[in-house]
Amino acid sequence: EAGVAQSPRYKIIEKRQSVAFWCNPISGHATLYWYQQILGQGPKLLIQFQNNGVVDDSQLPKDRFSAERLKGVDSTLKIQPAKLEDSAVYLCASSARENTEAFFGQGTRLTVV
Amino acid sequence: AQKVTQAQTEISVVEKEDVTLDCVYETRDTTYYLFWYKQPPSGELVFLIRRNSFDEQNEISGRYSWNFQKSTSSFNFTITASQVVDSAVYFCALYYNQGGKLIFGQGTELSVKP
Repeated sequence: EAGVAQSPRYKIIEKRQSVAFWCNPISGHATLYWYQQILGQGPKLLIQFQNNGVVDDSQLPKDRFSAERLKGVDSTLKIQPAKLEDSAVYLCASSARENTEAFFGQGTRLTVV
Repeated sequence: AQKVTQAQTEISVVEKEDVTLDCVYETRDTTYYLFWYKQPPSGELVFLIRRNSFDEQNEISGRYSWNFQKSTSSFNFTITASQVVDSAVYFCALYYNQGGKLIFGQGTELSVKP
């Protein structure tokens, strides 16, 4: 069974530029998460989808971050414009249901210079 | 407030020593789920175990064991006879039904030296 796929693996952009990350969850998984992990810290939940509806986005900086999950499958996370403090690893995860174990992709390491 | 605390930031042991990683959680929900994940240097978070709030039985899987105690809101993880390959950052996580969120602690970096 294929795992969670994320792309790109690495991205370097200048501040004020835009960037988008893509995630393809495990087939059949209803719940999809996006986390931000700053070096040395635990993952911080940005947004959680159940199918194509948003369950929680309370920690998503909505003035610059946006996310969507079309048709309840793939998801994209966008940052526009990026700030230096957005430098982090962005992790996508999926689970069969909300309270079951989440499986993570390899992440996208974003560096904003 | 819902919260996961891993008070140990870093632990260093010598191979074959036993080591326990602590996890304390806070939640008002009566139904919740606890998890442990391993993050090796490659960066990908690997699922280790899931426990629901109604199952306080301890679990053992090879060299790994988990001690869940609701009375102290703790879900500790012990590695017996540690090996160099156990070196990683370990995260404890909580899923709580009210709001349906999966939140993580700050992680414990375990270094096992030969």
